Amino acid sequence: GAVVSQHPSRVICKSGTSVKIECRSLDFQATTMFWYRQFPKQSLMLMATSNEGSKATYEQGVEKDKFLINHASLTLSTLTVTSAHPEDSSFYICSTPLGETQYFGPGTRLLVL
Amino acid sequence: AQSVTQLGSHVSVSEGALVLLRCNYSSSVPPYLFWYVQYPNQGLQLLLKYTSAATLVKGINGFEAEFKKSETSFHLTKPSAHMSDAAEYFCAVNADFGNEKLTFGTGTRLTIIP
Repeated sequence: GAVVSQHPSRVICKSGTSVKIECRSLDFQATTMFWYRQFPKQSLMLMATSNEGSKATYEQGVEKDKFLINHASLTLSTLTVTSAHPEDSSFYICSTPLGETQYFGPGTRLLVL
Repeated sequence: AQSVTQLGSHVSVSEGALVLLRCNYSSSVPPYLFWYVQYPNQGLQLLLKYTSAATLVKGINGFEAEFKKSETSFHLTKPSAHMSDAAEYFCAVNADFGNEKLTFGTGTRLTIIP
């Protein structure tokens, strides 16, 4: 089946720094990419939807200036957590639809110290 | 508005026993419903989906789920658990057709006892 990769799988950073997470679709084009965040023992919460070549659409309560999303090509979408703080520590997952099925990346665990 | 409730954050069953993972949904329109499985350090994998056709849906790895509108449920079952079934399971709903957004439950961690 379709494969989506994420990099890095886990990252530890200092408070105030920025972290970039990459999500790539392998062997297929991803026009749309969804970015989710999952806190411990909670649901995956949709943060934003990115479409190749256009601005991302953010869910209510998600700061677009803090979570920068770039979808410059049909195989790559990036999420940058700017000026990260400990409360941003979470599990970030991307997914993209192909036909009726959504394919998920393996996730990136972010820990902000 | 749509939401999903998964009863039981942890479920343990013996190998060979019945697996039952519960999911109830809330939706103002007939929804599409999904079960995903997540193995350690891997992405979510689709187990099965309900898209308003047959109410009993069969998925991969011997899992199936039944859509019951009267109970607003979409419970996941497998007759005989295998050690390889140990994973995190997520129920999800999509009632916002056209943009493919999913709303997830909190997940159920399934442990198989040898």
